[in-house]
Amino acid sequence: DAGVIQSPRHEVTEMGQEVTLRCKPISGHNSLFWYRQTMMRGLELLIYFNNNVPIDDSGMPEDRFSAKMPNASFSTLKIQPSEPRDSAVYFCASGGTPNTEAFFGQGTRLTVV
Amino acid sequence: QQQVKQSPQSLIVQKGGISIINCAYENTAFDYFPWYQQFPGKGPALLIAIRPDVSEKKEGRFTISFNKSAKQFSLHIMDSQPGDSATYFCAASRGYGGATNKLIFGTGTLLAVQP
Repeated sequence: DAGVIQSPRHEVTEMGQEVTLRCKPISGHNSLFWYRQTMMRGLELLIYFNNNVPIDDSGMPEDRFSAKMPNASFSTLKIQPSEPRDSAVYFCASGGTPNTEAFFGQGTRLTVV
Repeated sequence: QQQVKQSPQSLIVQKGGISIINCAYENTAFDYFPWYQQFPGKGPALLIAIRPDVSEKKEGRFTISFNKSAKQFSLHIMDSQPGDSATYFCAASRGYGGATNKLIFGTGTLLAVQP
């Protein structure tokens, strides 16, 4: 298995633009997590899905952020409009039930200028 | 109650020494405590994990010690090697599988093992 696949690996965008981050979880996993990592705040859970349904989005910072999981093999995290303070590394992770181990992707480094 | 507090923020250890990283939690509902290792430019990867029914778990040079009454757990790296230099995160979650297994991470410890 190729593991959790995220794209793009790097994204540089201008403030105000829409940004879409993509994630393909490990086949057979039914939990998917989006995390944001910054030096100041560490690893923050933004949202997680179970069986494609959003279970907890309390970590989503504001309405500019939205996440979808249209099927078991694909998820997106969208920021519209983007702001410089959104600059961070965004990780997607997936896990299988009942195993609670989460496997992380390589991350997307987002820079908003 | 959802926080996991981790210390130290950074650690320098000589090759062959013991690295010790500590974490504390408040939510007694947590029942899964993993440690993740992250190298620069990579995502965190599971290193070792423990459940509260045991006080210690060892895998090779890595050991988790768990103190349920104190709500603390720690990672010990024996015979530390330069290749162990990375950022280490403790984490906690509630519920064995299902929809409640979101991980709450500590703030991370940057470990540097000097040759």
